[in-house]
Amino acid sequence: QIQLVQSGPELKKPGESVKISCKASGYTFTDYAMHWVKQAPGKGLKWMGWINTYTGKPTYADDFKGRFVFSLEASASTANLQISNLKNEDTATYFCARGRTTKAYFDYWGQGVMVTVSS
Amino acid sequence: DIVMTQAPLSVSVTPGESASISCRSSKSLLHSNGNTYVNWYLQKPGKSPQFLIYRMSNLASGVPDRFSGSGSETDFTLKISKVETEDVGVYYCGHGLEYPLTFGSGTKLEIK
Repeated sequence: QIQLVQSGPELKKPGESVKISCKASGYTFTDYAMHWVKQAPGKGLKWMGWINTYTGKPTYADDFKGRFVFSLEASASTANLQISNLKNEDTATYFCARGRTTKAYFDYWGQGVMVTVSS
Repeated sequence: DIVMTQAPLSVSVTPGESASISCRSSKSLLHSNGNTYVNWYLQKPGKSPQFLIYRMSNLASGVPDRFSGSGSETDFTLKISKVETEDVGVYYCGHGLEYPLTFGSGTKLEIK
């Protein structure tokens, strides 16, 4: 069955970096894009961008340009999200979600990774 | 960016009754190919979102037919007939027409 399994929760200090992973199984990894979605505590869903799993090209939403990097370990069917220079407002749950490259909907989601940024 | 506006903020429903959730987009989501690119998701308490409906009215695999989606170019409705206790959570609409993708702010469904 199709699964997206994400890495575990993270507790970081402001200014540090974090890298979270999303391992896909049950389908051909390069046939679908991987999207990233942020959910701050008690808030709604915010789309961060996506990575083309065939070419490796990332696309970022405006609010996520600069400190956020999407990457792949295609041989391991894994997508990664790295956030540098962490700020308190980065405290959130981050979901990976499988989707198409265009006219996207998200048919499978990871379980989410809670990242807490606190001094 | 396309703004997705949901109403109501919350809805309380007796099991067995129906519930409707509205979503409005700031731009037509009707593509020239005839598809309307609005999707619906349900986030149950403490869980990741799950996929319900795509292209306005198409049920995702495994979704009970108590769920249905309808609408026009900018106004959309998710209807849940015969609500069950397992349907509690926050419902989000989202568009897939163009980047950036955006979601509505969510509608919380509670059971009376």
